[in-house]
Amino acid sequence: GESVGLHLPTLSVQEGDNSIINCAYSNSASDYFIWYKQESGKGPQFIIDIRSNMDKRQGQRVTVLLNKTVKHLSLQIAATQPGDSAVYFCAEKKVGAQKLVFGQGTRLTINP
Amino acid sequence: EPEVTQTPSHQVTQMGQEVILRCVPISNHLYFYWYRQILGQKVEFLVSFYNNEISEKSEIFDDQFSVERPDGSNFTLKIRSTKLEDSAMYFCASSENRGGQETQYFGPGTRLLVL
Repeated sequence: GESVGLHLPTLSVQEGDNSIINCAYSNSASDYFIWYKQESGKGPQFIIDIRSNMDKRQGQRVTVLLNKTVKHLSLQIAATQPGDSAVYFCAEKKVGAQKLVFGQGTRLTINP
Repeated sequence: EPEVTQTPSHQVTQMGQEVILRCVPISNHLYFYWYRQILGQKVEFLVSFYNNEISEKSEIFDDQFSVERPDGSNFTLKIRSTKLEDSAMYFCASSENRGGQETQYFGPGTRLLVL
């Protein structure tokens, strides 16, 4: 079957530290992966995506790493800020499909 | 920056009533989607729509649900006879799907409460 899950439901970090949010997926047919940020009462906001032919992609303060060997995806946020507090979801998409399969989400909280 | 918009932001309805949730996707996008999120749970795919027809749907999207693009800008989700378990946040999304641009952009959602 297909499933995308997260290792930890909550993550608490100090402001200014780096955050690493992890995600495991089980469908080796997936070729596209996305991280979304969801603030309370809002819709998922696109952060960064990566295709299966890459193992790393960087954005502004964020980096996504993909390890296809162990089916693992991670999101790294540099110099975490209070505005980064949210629930972070990973999602995957199979070749030829349109639907995104979301994981459970990790709540990131920032300690001052 | 273009964004997906949804109306209403909140909808309260009685069980058995019909509801229509409305979305305006990003204007140059070709694929449209509905997802839902039951409180405290993950986001679940309902349906995708392309070229005026359903291209993919989940097992959740049964005969009580329908989608329509009534004009060049709106995309609607209708629930014919709402059930208590239909209470959730409903998100519309759209994507360009040209030139490898697959990113799905989500609207702010409609919170549906069925009493």
